[in-house]
Amino acid sequence: QQQVKQSPQSLIVQKGGISIINCAYENTAFDYFPWYQQFPGKGPALLIAIRPDVSEKKEGRFTISFNKSAKQFSLHIMDSQPGDSATYFCAASIRAGNNRKLIWGLGTSLAVNP
Amino acid sequence: NAGVTQTPKFQVLKTGQSMTLQCAQDMNHEYMSWYRQDPGMGLRLIHYSVGAGITDQGEVPNGYNVSRSTTEDFPLRLLSAAPSQTSVYFCASHRGAGNTIYFGEGSWLTVV
Repeated sequence: QQQVKQSPQSLIVQKGGISIINCAYENTAFDYFPWYQQFPGKGPALLIAIRPDVSEKKEGRFTISFNKSAKQFSLHIMDSQPGDSATYFCAASIRAGNNRKLIWGLGTSLAVNP
Repeated sequence: NAGVTQTPKFQVLKTGQSMTLQCAQDMNHEYMSWYRQDPGMGLRLIHYSVGAGITDQGEVPNGYNVSRSTTEDFPLRLLSAAPSQTSVYFCASHRGAGNTIYFGEGSWLTVV
């Protein structure tokens, strides 16, 4: 129930195309869903995040779509560029006592071909 | 504007050796944590701290020790390195539970 399942494991997209990465969860107590982007040789960095009371959040070319009833959320990268080539992690946050716990997906390696 | 600083960047250890990975943050964040990243395994939490003097185990704590004597520093100690600890280690910090996590640039550790 604590898992976050991320797919696909890897993705190749042509420049200008749309990249779509999906995540699914079971525990309805999750209440915050961030996406992190990691370039080779660097640490992950927050890209965009959403709370379950919103069905969509857009920041530039990056959009999170959230389907509460299906317990799924996805990252869409419009007009994908070679500079978007990176590993993307979804995560889900849940209250754990006085703290919070972050459950990570296993990551998606995105390659955007020029 | 350093953020989260990890040292060393690269390290090769022999089995049985001990070492400490250093982590410092200059954002006055309460929360600090250590993750390891392995191919196909994503990010796994090793240990975390919610403030100076307070530490707790994460998902994969065995073989690692931590301490938090100051808000800024959170070193990770490998007591007796094993080849299974070959990994990339990330230190992270954040202001409070549920807030944006800031990661260091990683420490590549190879145990031979």
